[in-house]
Amino acid sequence: EVHLLESGGGLVQPGGSLRLSCAASGFTFSSYALIWVRQAPGKGLEWVSAITGTGDTTYYADSVKGRFTISRDTSKNTLFLQMNSLRAEDAALYYCARVGDRTGWYPFDYWGQGTLVTVSS
Amino acid sequence: EIVLTQSPGTLSLFPGERATLSCRASQSVSSYLAWYQQKPDQAPRLLIYGASSRATGIPDRFSGSGSGTDFTLTISRLEPEDFAVYYCQHYGSSPLYTFGRGTKLDIK
Repeated sequence: EVHLLESGGGLVQPGGSLRLSCAASGFTFSSYALIWVRQAPGKGLEWVSAITGTGDTTYYADSVKGRFTISRDTSKNTLFLQMNSLRAEDAALYYCARVGDRTGWYPFDYWGQGTLVTVSS
Repeated sequence: EIVLTQSPGTLSLFPGERATLSCRASQSVSSYLAWYQQKPDQAPRLLIYGASSRATGIPDRFSGSGSGTDFTLTISRLEPEDFAVYYCQHYGSSPLYTFGRGTKLDIK
């Protein structure tokens, strides 16, 4: 059974940094692209970042480009999101999810339960 | 950048009724359109991909249609567990993924 478990959220001051993790199990980790999606309290979904199965290509939303870095460690079956220069508008529940097809950028078939990031002084 | 506009913002219906949710793209997205359901305090769940293909395990009362710029998610007969927020999503261009702002389906 596919399982994704996020961790690493918490309270951080504006301008601070945080590193989110997403532990994956139940599938061949390196065969699937993975993504981060966030949801501010009471708001809709916003795609944040994506990484290919091999980890050699990454993509970012304009709102986080240059501040966030996505990466993955196949030896640990774990996805990461390094978030720097955090702003109040980055506060959200961050989900990791699996891209549902190995051949391209398709919708997300499995999601974690999210980890909450709060940005406040 | 493609913008997805969902309507209505809120839809109030009785169980057993038919629900029709709309998603309009600012330019053609071909059939690269998905629908998700999100219940309170839960992660979204993929319902439809490729505009009209049901994801694994999704009941056949859910159906998707459309191509180009106009898409519809139809729930043929609403069950109590169907009342949730529904999002459409475009995938595969730049930016890689775009979501609509959602339609809240309320019990009347």
